[in-house]
Amino acid sequence: QKEVEQDPGPLSVPEGAIVSLNCTYSNSAFQYFMWYRQYSRKGPELLMYTYSSGNKEDGRFTAQVDKSSKYISLFIRDSQPSDSATYLCAMSPSNDYKLSFGAGTTVTVRA
Amino acid sequence: GAVVSQHPSRVICKSGTSVKIECRSLDFQATTMFWYRQFPKQSLMLMATSNEGSKATYEQGVEKDKFLINHASLTLSTLTVTSAHPEDSSFYICSAMTGTNSPLHFGNGTRLTVT
Repeated sequence: QKEVEQDPGPLSVPEGAIVSLNCTYSNSAFQYFMWYRQYSRKGPELLMYTYSSGNKEDGRFTAQVDKSSKYISLFIRDSQPSDSATYLCAMSPSNDYKLSFGAGTTVTVRA
Repeated sequence: GAVVSQHPSRVICKSGTSVKIECRSLDFQATTMFWYRQFPKQSLMLMATSNEGSKATYEQGVEKDKFLINHASLTLSTLTVTSAHPEDSSFYICSAMTGTNSPLHFGNGTRLTVT
């Protein structure tokens, strides 16, 4: 079993739809949770960073963390074609900088 | 804007030659940088942790004599792929933290093609 599970998709949605992404994990030591967006042939770009259970909102993006279920989510509201990318979840234990990544979910937003 | 700069973005080299990739932290000092490798449609694989002023820590299965890492200053780490072979062709990405317990920021990656 992988430490971090993420459905690779691909996921295709019409413009304006809500994109829902999620990851599950098995290591209860994970305390820091991140979502990265990666465009083709580019490095990952940090979207969201959380270290507690609950919701965090930033513009059209909402990150949810449920440590009891070992489950994290990213929601993208009012999706745009420019949101088409691969989204990677990542996580690490406290004070441990080695990130464990999900496989990444490829999202296409159709105009 | 980007806080980590990586150069070159793309390099093509002949088999048997060595290639150096630079990773710079912009406007902050990075005592620790990380080097990742990514194959097409796969996630990032940590290769090594680069520590300023000391030897890098390599992940299991990564050849330290093939992938030489030098972290000579607080803003620069280099990865040298020595005696490159076609199987070394990949996307190499560096990253660094801007502070304690802060998230990783990534460079834009270097696409290496060995012919």
